[in-house]
Amino acid sequence: EVQLVESGGGLVQPGGSLRLSCAASGFTFSSYAMHWVRQAPGKGLEYVSAISSNGGSTYYANSVKGRFTISRDNSKNTLYLQMGSLRAEDMAVYYCARAKGSGYYLPFDYWGQGTLVTVSS
Amino acid sequence: EIVLTQSPGTLSLSPGERATLSCRASQSVSSSYLAWYQQKPGQAPRLLIYGASSRATGIPDRFSGSGSGTDFTLTISRLEPEDFAVYYCQQYGSSPPTFGPGTKVDIK
Repeated sequence: EVQLVESGGGLVQPGGSLRLSCAASGFTFSSYAMHWVRQAPGKGLEYVSAISSNGGSTYYANSVKGRFTISRDNSKNTLYLQMGSLRAEDMAVYYCARAKGSGYYLPFDYWGQGTLVTVSS
Repeated sequence: EIVLTQSPGTLSLSPGERATLSCRASQSVSSSYLAWYQQKPGQAPRLLIYGASSRATGIPDRFSGSGSGTDFTLTISRLEPEDFAVYYCQQYGSSPPTFGPGTKVDIK
């Protein structure tokens, strides 16, 4: 059974940093591109970042470029999102999602349950 | 980036009725790389349809997708109680992938 379990969310002050993790199981992690998507309270889905199956290629939404870094450790079956210079508008539930294959241009067929990031002083 | 618009914002229907949800793109979606997701309160989104019309694994056949270019439709032939939720369309054919604002299907 495919499972994605996010962790690392919590309360952080504006300007602070946080690292999210997404532990994957039930599939060959190194064969799939992975994504982060966020959802502000009561709002819709916003795309954040992507990483290729081998970690050699990454993509960021303009809203987080230069502040967030996506990475993966295929030996640990884990996806990461290092978030810095956090702003109030970054407050959201962050989901990791698996692409339906190794490429970028694929739908997201499995999602984690999400981890909440709260940015407040 | 491609902007997706969904209509209506809210659809109030009764169980057993047919639901028709629309998704319109600001420019043509490459190779019909259009997906639909269902999200219930407190849950992660679930993939329903990809490639505009292919059902994801385990999705009942009352869900169907159609369309191409800039106009796409999700149809739920007969609403079951568990189908009342928010539905998002997504284009994944060009970077960045983008989502529509969602259509809420609620009980009339």
